[in-house]
Amino acid sequence: LAKTTQPISMDSYEGQEVNITCSHNNIATNDYITWYQQFPSQGPRFIIQGYKTKVTNEVASLFIPADRKSSTLSLPRVSLSDTAVYYCLVGALDGGSQGNLIFGKGTKLSVKP
Amino acid sequence: SAVISQKPSRDICQRGTSLTIQCQVDSQVTMMFWYRQQPGQSLTLIATANQGSEATYESGFVIDKFPISRPNLTFSTLTVSNMSPEDSSIYLCSARDGPNTEAFFGQGTRLTVV
Repeated sequence: LAKTTQPISMDSYEGQEVNITCSHNNIATNDYITWYQQFPSQGPRFIIQGYKTKVTNEVASLFIPADRKSSTLSLPRVSLSDTAVYYCLVGALDGGSQGNLIFGKGTKLSVKP
Repeated sequence: SAVISQKPSRDICQRGTSLTIQCQVDSQVTMMFWYRQQPGQSLTLIATANQGSEATYESGFVIDKFPISRPNLTFSTLTVSNMSPEDSSIYLCSARDGPNTEAFFGQGTRLTVV
């Protein structure tokens, strides 16, 4: 599975839009991109997943350019409760590597009042 | 969605002893995984425990140290054997029902070895 690279940390203020970009230069044709959120003392929680172009749900949007070598998680109008670590992961559509997910270092987002 | 319950939530253990962590899923799932997470660090995959096959361990983890059971589609255990202070960490159970489906995580087991 492709290795992912994302900023170690980001700061924002309440009400702002936050964009976290992840690099996955070696992504394979059969790979998809998925993002997870983790609060302290909790297990990670799924945010969004996509293969190409744009995906939107009630929580976030995911933008994937045509070459798929990067992706951007967009969080609209963040609040203090969005302070967490955000992980970008690449997974195999066909269950390669037995369907496991390999976590990178993640981005620690701090939202300030 | 799936709800994952882990037991115990935390424990303090003497070095040289073993601890078995239980992971119960409220629905049948094909894939289950065990991770370790040091405070302030990312998750490290220990092993994959898919139904119908032996657990597969990642580099640096061995079955003698971390034996895993997967008796059915809703339950798994991870044993941390012959513990040392270096085993102090948070251990997380995860489950998903397909290769590109959402993965669910338990709240973790905080283990301290003294």
